[in-house]
Amino acid sequence: EIVMTQSPATLSVSPGERATLSCRASQSVSNNLAWYQQKPGQAPRLLIYAASTRATGIPARFSGSGSGTEFTLTISSLQSEDFAVYYCQQYKNWPPLTFGGGTKVEIK
Amino acid sequence: EVQLVESGGGLVQPGGSLRLSCAASGFTVNTNYMTWVRQAPGKGLEWVSVIYTGGTTYYADSVKGRFTFSRDNSKNTLNLQMNSLRAEDTAVYYCARGPTDETWLFYYMDVWGKGTTVTVSS
Repeated sequence: EIVMTQSPATLSVSPGERATLSCRASQSVSNNLAWYQQKPGQAPRLLIYAASTRATGIPARFSGSGSGTEFTLTISSLQSEDFAVYYCQQYKNWPPLTFGGGTKVEIK
Repeated sequence: EVQLVESGGGLVQPGGSLRLSCAASGFTVNTNYMTWVRQAPGKGLEWVSVIYTGGTTYYADSVKGRFTFSRDNSKNTLNLQMNSLRAEDTAVYYCARGPTDETWLFYYMDVWGKGTTVTVSS
């Protein structure tokens, strides 16, 4: 099973600032990585797949990068609606699909 | 509009059973890898089970032998039969859409239901 580790657990950012979230895989997943956003009381929403491709309707301020074992989700200028928890998920080796533990982006 | 709506959650005693359903609209459930993902209170996401287009199922080790994932093509719905429930099964259960047979290598979930809450407690 591939273990996904996200850091930091919590990120405090002011609106308008840049946020950088990290995700590390215990072995190479190539670019088979997705990012999801989850707001309180809501289901996860797909943001990024194939490590860097934005899903339909996702604003350009969200970008993903990385390959192999190290990945980054960047939010270039945080908007109020971006404060949420973000999860990475690998789909290189499954079952099981595995998720990271999440990074909470909170208002500084 | 593509939509998934879960139902069937509730309070059940340890050792009891519950059957979750997921009704799909806007697409046909037998054309995608359909998935259950759960989230314990205050915790992260955990993959639970998948049903392939051909009907093959896989389960997380934590639920193997206790949960059964099935599909009703005539009703365009999915069911998760959960038996021998434990306190650690307490979670919000999400139904989600995965890839098609053509895109099977890319197993991410692009459509999610709002979830149904299962509480296992005496």
